[in-house]
Amino acid sequence: GAGVSQTPSNKVTEKGKYVELRCDPISGHTALYWYRQSLGQGPEFLIYFQGTGAADDSGLPNDRFFAVRPEGSVSTLKIQRTERGDSAVYLCASSLYGQGSAYEQYFGPGTRLTVT
Amino acid sequence: KNQVEQSPQSLIILEGKNCTLQCNYTVSPFSNLRWYKQDTGRGPVSLTIMTFSENTKSNGRYTATLDADTKQSSLHITASQLSDSASYICVVSAGNYGGSQGNLIFGKGTKLSVKP
Repeated sequence: GAGVSQTPSNKVTEKGKYVELRCDPISGHTALYWYRQSLGQGPEFLIYFQGTGAADDSGLPNDRFFAVRPEGSVSTLKIQRTERGDSAVYLCASSLYGQGSAYEQYFGPGTRLTVT
Repeated sequence: KNQVEQSPQSLIILEGKNCTLQCNYTVSPFSNLRWYKQDTGRGPVSLTIMTFSENTKSNGRYTATLDADTKQSSLHITASQLSDSASYICVVSAGNYGGSQGNLIFGKGTKLSVKP
């Protein structure tokens, strides 16, 4: 595709429910990143994939958060037992290469998650 | 502790005027510094990336400077337009890769409003 796409654009869920957020990176990009952005804040790193494997998941806040990228392209961020504090915009980015390179990260439009 | 501080937090200017946004960082070892523009409801879009050896880089009406000695960067916007209204985020990449995502440290951003 022309850019990084994320679905859904908005998600409203009740506290305690499970949600999945999807990211389609730019075709051919080996690196994929998930970030979380709260209102008025910069993006906060969650997890980074190089290919199919999670090279760095140190930003995941707790074990309710999990992400996969089984075929090295599309990624899904999964949140179990959602809490109101999980409400934020979840951004996905991809780059041609990752791990400390200066290559551009291209961001998707984000998924706005609201937990009621 | 690796940190990126931006100032001012918000700024209002009149269309056609110039402005300068500041970024101070305490990130070591330093790899590169990026400026992103984020429109409301959108993902960040890269404006410039500068490595240690570069001290200025331009992208149209945007000019970024980097002083690696004082660990300061600025983003200068010339002849502002209404479409420049956005948040501008300074991001510093640490050089201790070691299997990590390149340790991108995000500032909180400067919210710029350009008024007619």
